Amino acid sequence: GAGVSQTPSNKVTEKGKYVELRCDPISGHTALYWYRQSLGQGPEFLIYFQGTGAADDSGLPNDRFFAVRPEGSVSTLKIQRTERGDSAVYLCASSQRGTDTIYFGEGSWLTVV
Amino acid sequence: GEDVEQSLFLSVREGDSSVINCTYTDSSSTYLYWYKQEPGAGLQLLTYIFSNMDMKQDQRLTVLLNKKDKHLSLRIADTQTGDSAIYFCAEYYGNNRLAFGKGNQVVVIP
Repeated sequence: GAGVSQTPSNKVTEKGKYVELRCDPISGHTALYWYRQSLGQGPEFLIYFQGTGAADDSGLPNDRFFAVRPEGSVSTLKIQRTERGDSAVYLCASSQRGTDTIYFGEGSWLTVV
Repeated sequence: GEDVEQSLFLSVREGDSSVINCTYTDSSSTYLYWYKQEPGAGLQLLTYIFSNMDMKQDQRLTVLLNKKDKHLSLRIADTQTGDSAIYFCAEYYGNNRLAFGKGNQVVVIP
């Protein structure tokens, strides 16, 4: 596609529920990133994929968070047993080979009530 | 660890120039970026500079990099109301992640 596409744009869920957030990167981009942005803060790194594999998942806050990219294109960020502190904007980005220009999507606003 | 610092708020009159500053800590950073975020929107890549450059100009945008002081600035010439947004600087230092500052909110007064 023309840009990084994320769905849903907004998600309200109850504490304890399971959530999936989807990212469609720019066509041909092999590198894919997930970031989380809390209110009033800059984005914080979660995980980086090069192709199908998670090359760096050191930013995931705990084992409730998991992400996959089975075919090297679309990625899904999965959050189990959601907590109110998970409320944030989850941003996906992509680039070619992880170099210079990194493009972000519009984000998925997650609210846990 | 990475620590990118930005001042928080800037008010500027339409037509004036605005300058946003940023300091970073990792001297091995390869690229430094400026992103723009409008309310409720994602991050828009504005421009970036490679670490071996001192300056980059792109239409109304001028990026200055002082590697000695680890200081990055973004100058917006002829600021327009559409430039009102939060501006983030970010450093990329080769381990496949960006470290962002907290952002600088720019408000353009007509």
